[in-house]
Amino acid sequence: DVKVTQSSRYLVKRTGEKVFLECVQDMDHENMFWYRQDPGLGLRLIYFSYDVKMKEKGDIPEGYSVSREKKERFSLILESASTNQTSMYLCASSASGAADTQYFGPGTRLTVL
Amino acid sequence: DQQVKQNSPSLSVQEGRISILNCDYTNSMFDYFLWYKKYPAEGPTFLISISSIKDKNEDGRFTVFLNKSAKHLSLHIVPSQPGDSAVYFCAASDGGGGADGLTFGKGTHLIIQP
Repeated sequence: DVKVTQSSRYLVKRTGEKVFLECVQDMDHENMFWYRQDPGLGLRLIYFSYDVKMKEKGDIPEGYSVSREKKERFSLILESASTNQTSMYLCASSASGAADTQYFGPGTRLTVL
Repeated sequence: DQQVKQNSPSLSVQEGRISILNCDYTNSMFDYFLWYKKYPAEGPTFLISISSIKDKNEDGRFTVFLNKSAKHLSLHIVPSQPGDSAVYFCAASDGGGGADGLTFGKGTHLIIQP
């Protein structure tokens, strides 16, 4: 079974703090993704990566950055957290041969006060 | 501009009956479609998919139909069971093989009533 894990299920931070969200997958997948899910808006793609040290902007990259130093790990960074970044953050991975089928982690519920 | 639309935020169906969830898309470059199921406080899980070269794909109680000319797909669940109560997301891939992410709809909350 594919396993995608995220470092925290729940996180509370203050405005202006730097926030790191970590994601690890154990299936040697090439592709990794960060989405956020908000009520009434569905899932929106923030950043993705198709290889180590490679990153591409998704639909809503503003206010975020990412890091992929190792194949299995993809980090989402909020340089200076703001209240409008309060959301559910979902990490996903997929294999290059079946990139369409993504496997998701359990999500991190981030609250920025 | 929303490229994948799920116009029903919620749907209530009686246990044992058929559930039909609908999805429309606008981007003619989409060539692969997926349905994900999501329980509260969990990540989405892949349910079923269909390639644009097909018009139907079946997996147990779940069948997805694709009408390319209408840019419409639907997910049929029959018979519906209480465990099917969840939010269902329709997603599409635009020919990049999915490596550049999926485009998701806003989701439909399916409620199965006993």
